[in-house]
Amino acid sequence: NAGVTQTPKFQVLKTGQSMTLQCAQDMNHEYMSWYRQDPGMGLRLIHYSVGAGITDQGEVPNGYNVSRSTTEDFPLRLLSAAPSQTSVYFCASRPGTGTNQPQHFGDGTRLSIL
Amino acid sequence: AQSVSQHNHHVILSEAASLELGCNYSYGGTVNLFWYVQYPGQHLQLLLKYFSGDPLVKGIKGFEAEFIKSKFSFNLRKPSVQWSDTAEYFCAVNPYSGAGSYQLTFGKGTKLSVIP
Repeated sequence: NAGVTQTPKFQVLKTGQSMTLQCAQDMNHEYMSWYRQDPGMGLRLIHYSVGAGITDQGEVPNGYNVSRSTTEDFPLRLLSAAPSQTSVYFCASRPGTGTNQPQHFGDGTRLSIL
Repeated sequence: AQSVSQHNHHVILSEAASLELGCNYSYGGTVNLFWYVQYPGQHLQLLLKYFSGDPLVKGIKGFEAEFIKSKFSFNLRKPSVQWSDTAEYFCAVNPYSGAGSYQLTFGKGTKLSVIP
């Protein structure tokens, strides 16, 4: 059982480049989310989705786009990368929309913007 | 919107010492509470959760946490830490219902270093 799979694990971009971070889960979870983790800041929610075709903004959505065409996949797009987006990105999912269900996290993508 | 405060940025303990990490949240309604752990270079893993019932919850690896509603607190405890507990610990909260219930809010984390 793979759980939540993120690709790539590491990426270096130049300012202004675009990129898509991939996230896939094989647990048939309805809820998926993207966080960024910065030193001393904890994890901050970027975008989330409660099901295919439904997405919404989290705490820090600016500069990021998402879509959810299938239950399994929830890609995160950076349209024009900026140095402030250098971070570790985590994708997570949980079963259904029950708020007491814990989220399962992927291994993360470490992204550096030069 | 909800928020989470973790009191300690970095805690250093010797093996066998007792641990208590503070967590306070702000939200006026019913909440679900979580503690996650992140070992060096790894993703977050669930330690324990509280959503109803007995306010003292037990998790994996000997950790427990106590929910005190009147203090808006959910402190993490372990009677005797081991070197392998060296990690970063995150408290998180989401409202049980309403507009914010889809948003899990994390504290800034507490790094625990255990000295052999």
